[in-house]
Amino acid sequence: NAGVTQTPKFRILKIGQSMTLQCTQDMNHNYMYWYRQDPGMGLKLIYYSVGAGITDKGEVPNGYNVSRSTTEDFPLRLELAAPSQTSVYFCASTGDTLNSPLHFGNGTRLTVT
Amino acid sequence: GEDVEQSLFLSVREGDSSVINCTYTDSSSTYLYWYKQEPGAGLQLLTYIFSNMDMKQDQRLTVLLNKKDKHLSLRIADTQTGDSAIYFCAETYRYSRAGNNRKLIWGLGTSLAVNP
Repeated sequence: NAGVTQTPKFRILKIGQSMTLQCTQDMNHNYMYWYRQDPGMGLKLIYYSVGAGITDKGEVPNGYNVSRSTTEDFPLRLELAAPSQTSVYFCASTGDTLNSPLHFGNGTRLTVT
Repeated sequence: GEDVEQSLFLSVREGDSSVINCTYTDSSSTYLYWYKQEPGAGLQLLTYIFSNMDMKQDQRLTVLLNKKDKHLSLRIADTQTGDSAIYFCAETYRYSRAGNNRKLIWGLGTSLAVNP
């Protein structure tokens, strides 16, 4: 049982480049989330999805885009990378009941130089 | 607005008990969670408590909830070096009658250092 899988684990981008962070889950969860984690700043919600075809902005969506064409996949797109997007990105998913915990991927460490 | 607060650092000696505290503001919280993050890894659920409970015990972990003061604590008995990690408190509540929409509010995390 793989759970939530994120790729790549590490990436270095130049300013202005684009990339997609991949996230897939095999638990048939409807809810999926993208967070970024900066030192001492906790988790900030970028985007979330409550099911295939439905996405919504979180606290810090600027500079990012998402899509949810299937239940399993929730990719995060950076169109024009900026140094402020240097961070660790976590994808998470959860089931439909209110007490379902979040299952996290192991993260993608992104550096923009 | 909603907020969850935790102290940022805690240092204990191996074998002692650790107590990590958390306060929250939203009175409609339904579940409160403790997650653990080890270096270089994602967050893993440690335990959770429903908001109509006062206490939950799970092996070395004890969660205490004081609803009146909106205070949540996590006690780790006989703390080991493997318990060194960041511990996140989070609250969830339902914000929409439609479906099962919920909001999850996170604390900034408490970094626990266990000294041998």
